[in-house]
Amino acid sequence: DAKTTQPPSMDCAEGRAANLPCNHSTISGNEYVYWYRQIHSQGPQYIIHGLKNNETNEMASLIITEDRKSSTLILPHATLRDTAVYYCIVRPPLNNNDMRFGAGTRLTVKP
Amino acid sequence: DADVTQTPRNRITKTGKRIMLECSQTKGHDRMYWYRQDPGLGLRLIYYSFDVKDINKGEISDGYSVSRQAQAKFSLSLESAIPNQTALYFCATSDLHFGSPKSYNEQFFGPGTRLTVL
Repeated sequence: DAKTTQPPSMDCAEGRAANLPCNHSTISGNEYVYWYRQIHSQGPQYIIHGLKNNETNEMASLIITEDRKSSTLILPHATLRDTAVYYCIVRPPLNNNDMRFGAGTRLTVKP
Repeated sequence: DADVTQTPRNRITKTGKRIMLECSQTKGHDRMYWYRQDPGLGLRLIYYSFDVKDINKGEISDGYSVSRQAQAKFSLSLESAIPNQTALYFCATSDLHFGSPKSYNEQFFGPGTRLTVL
């Protein structure tokens, strides 16, 4: 079973920031937090990952709490094309077989 | 051109038939994976391979087999398809990134194969 808990769905207005939460209270010291998204029925797409520091790239920002038990993915200016299912995954960095996808959060960006 | 391709993209078959799904990649990655996705659920790992001749079972390998013919090719077979194997199947690849401040390995997914077993 997945090691993360996410809300099943969220809405966001176009142009506003989308903040997607994830709880991972049993995360181990060497486990990273990864985020992927799946648009419609396409293959999942990597977004961002982090260990304990906040991270930012061209797609999103990742905020990890100090105790590492939860995190938030931030899409700073959501567009209609960001409508997708977002998956939060925790796993060791080199143990690539252990990619456990939960049900994710279905984000709907509305005009 | 797509880096990870899957064939066929759609397949309808009957119970008891043997089915092969194929995956090819041009990314030069050593690691390849097969996942299935059922409606409303996340992906579950079927098999994975870290190199040619290396095959490992994933979370739900029963009823499936795989073949890693070359670094670039990884095939999934259903020896005798059954209706509850109706699902969306994804192939993925990855490689290790050593030497960076934080080693990680992003997975790259193919477009998926929609399989229906009647």
